[in-house]
Amino acid sequence: DTEVTQTPKHLVMGMTNKKSLKCEQHMGHRAMYWYKQKAKKPPELMFVYSYEKLSINESVPSRFSPECPNSSLLNLHLHALQPEDSALYLCASSQDNRLQPQHFGDGTRLSIL
Amino acid sequence: AQTVTQSQPEMSVQEAETVTLSCTYDTSESDYYLFWYKQPPSRQMILVIRQEAYKQQNATENRFSVNFQKAAKSFSLKISDSQLGDAAMYFCAFCITQGGSEKLVFGKGTKLTVNP
Repeated sequence: DTEVTQTPKHLVMGMTNKKSLKCEQHMGHRAMYWYKQKAKKPPELMFVYSYEKLSINESVPSRFSPECPNSSLLNLHLHALQPEDSALYLCASSQDNRLQPQHFGDGTRLSIL
Repeated sequence: AQTVTQSQPEMSVQEAETVTLSCTYDTSESDYYLFWYKQPPSRQMILVIRQEAYKQQNATENRFSVNFQKAAKSFSLKISDSQLGDAAMYFCAFCITQGGSEKLVFGKGTKLTVNP
């Protein structure tokens, strides 16, 4: 069973749509992450939240807007995306220390028409 | 710069045989952590094994073990008695601290095929 739950599993949207990706964990982890992964490539870090505050933004375009409503939830709001934004979006959580591994969700497969 | 290099884009192994996936990294830090993650076609990234740099002893997890050579900055993964379920992309990763948070730097991955 996946301890990090992502919804939806698949999303198709037009370039003018607004949608949100959701991520939830109940392991008491204090750090949560968004990654973008293209086919046959490693995950690329987008954002890190630590104790519900944004701590890392890897120069992600503003059409991606993260939100951390509480320690268990992480959202990624999408608006005016481009076709090149089509990818697998992975959420992860951890205890935010270097020994503890990140736990990943199954991802949301996003397609931009 | 903190980098991770996986020089084998693809590897294959016969079921029940042993295979070794290579990984080298570059860092100026003295205390750090290394991980191997597995990503099967089902998409979920799963932790395989982790190693603390200050520990001399190589980590082992059942059929998975590492050969950690700190001076050479090498962190290879050995899979013994390979099973069909081991087929996946394997990513070597290095954990660094940035902005007060921990961040994984991934290698490009090695696609492992297990032949019956």
